[in-house]
Amino acid sequence: DTEVTQTPKHLVMGMTNKKSLKCEQHMGHRAMYWYKQKAKKPPELMFVYSYEKLSINESVPSRFSPECPNSSLLNLHLHALQPEDSALYLCASSQGLAGAQETQYFGPGTRLLVL
Amino acid sequence: AQTVTQSQPEMSVQEAETVTLSCTYDTSESNYYLFWYKQPPSRQMILVIRQEAYKQQNATENRFSVNFQKAAKSFSLKISDSQLGDTAMYFCAFPGQGGKLIFGQGTELSVKP
Repeated sequence: DTEVTQTPKHLVMGMTNKKSLKCEQHMGHRAMYWYKQKAKKPPELMFVYSYEKLSINESVPSRFSPECPNSSLLNLHLHALQPEDSALYLCASSQGLAGAQETQYFGPGTRLLVL
Repeated sequence: AQTVTQSQPEMSVQEAETVTLSCTYDTSESNYYLFWYKQPPSRQMILVIRQEAYKQQNATENRFSVNFQKAAKSFSLKISDSQLGDTAMYFCAFPGQGGKLIFGQGTELSVKP
């Protein structure tokens, strides 16, 4: 089973709202990722969690706040977003962070629109 | 620096024909994986095929196969008997340091009836 689930599928929010994106996997993976993707572009890495600890933050603005409550769950808290933050947000997971020999599996994504 | 290059932004193929998508990469690693991901308009990023660099045999998954040339750092994807459902963006990718997946810019493939 290589399933990663994400909720919600779609989200529309105003610039003053606070919302959260959720990601879940039950594959026993210990590394989880958040990516941002614009149309017809490759995903851009935002955050990496390894064994529930933040290991990479790709200089993401503080209006995005990740959280990893346990090894199966990953949240992305959103606050005071800008219209340019509208994008597809993808979650992924892998067994670990063994570098060049890891396979990442992606969820279906959350389509975010900021008005 | 680790890079992945896809030189074909768009391609089209007739249904039932064969198409090859190109990818080159650069790394100093000796053992690594390479991936082709497919992203249909429905948006889910799906792993199509994985190649382990220490294996000389090219990976195959049903109608999808790769031509892996390690010395040339080339990793092309061949789709045989193309189907309408193969219409998608295809990304070549390589796992970089710290878990960062390095993607090419993608090839938008259209399968025409």
